[in-house]
Amino acid sequence: DVKVTQSSRYLVKRTGEKVFLECVQDMDHENMFWYRQDPGLGLRLIYFSYDVKMKEKGDIPEGYSVSREKKERFSLILESASTNQTSMYLCASYGDRGLAGGPPYNEQFFGPGTRLTVL
Amino acid sequence: AQSVSQHNHHVILSEAASLELGCNYSYGGTVNLFWYVQYPGQHLQLLLKYFSGDPLVKGIKGFEAEFIKSKFSFNLRKPSVQWSDTAEYFCARTSNDYKLSFGAGTTVTVRA
Repeated sequence: DVKVTQSSRYLVKRTGEKVFLECVQDMDHENMFWYRQDPGLGLRLIYFSYDVKMKEKGDIPEGYSVSREKKERFSLILESASTNQTSMYLCASYGDRGLAGGPPYNEQFFGPGTRLTVL
Repeated sequence: AQSVSQHNHHVILSEAASLELGCNYSYGGTVNLFWYVQYPGQHLQLLLKYFSGDPLVKGIKGFEAEFIKSKFSFNLRKPSVQWSDTAEYFCARTSNDYKLSFGAGTTVTVRA
């Protein structure tokens, strides 16, 4: 089974702090994603990465940055946390190939989420 | 931007009732459609997906969805719900890439 893990389930930070959210996947997937989930808005894509050291902006990148130094790890960084960044953050991964190089699963696999509260 | 619309914000029903959740997507080339479910306290997981072929797609836990191209719709159905189907349901799409666009979600509450 694909496993996507996130470093924290719950996090409380203060306004202005620098926040790191970590995501690790164990399936050698090329593509990784960060979303935020808010009631009534669904999931919105913040950033994604299709390879090590590569990143692309999603729909709502303002106030965030990302880092992908290793294939299995994708970090979301809030440079200076603000209260409007209080949200649930979900990481996902997607492989171009399936097990043993077979056809891709054609689905994104999600981590459990990190609920971030900024005070 | 590609968009996905879910018709209902919150649906409340009794066990054994039938469920249908609406989903419409905007036109935009190749369409790949998904329904994800998020049970309370759990991570998002895939219920079913449509890429091509038979427009009636069967997923896990007795769910199915029908792709109707002329209506730009991909509605989710289950003939008889259980209390354990209480969850939030998200419709999503990709187009020519693997980036998902999600609907706002529908909270389903099943009363015993």
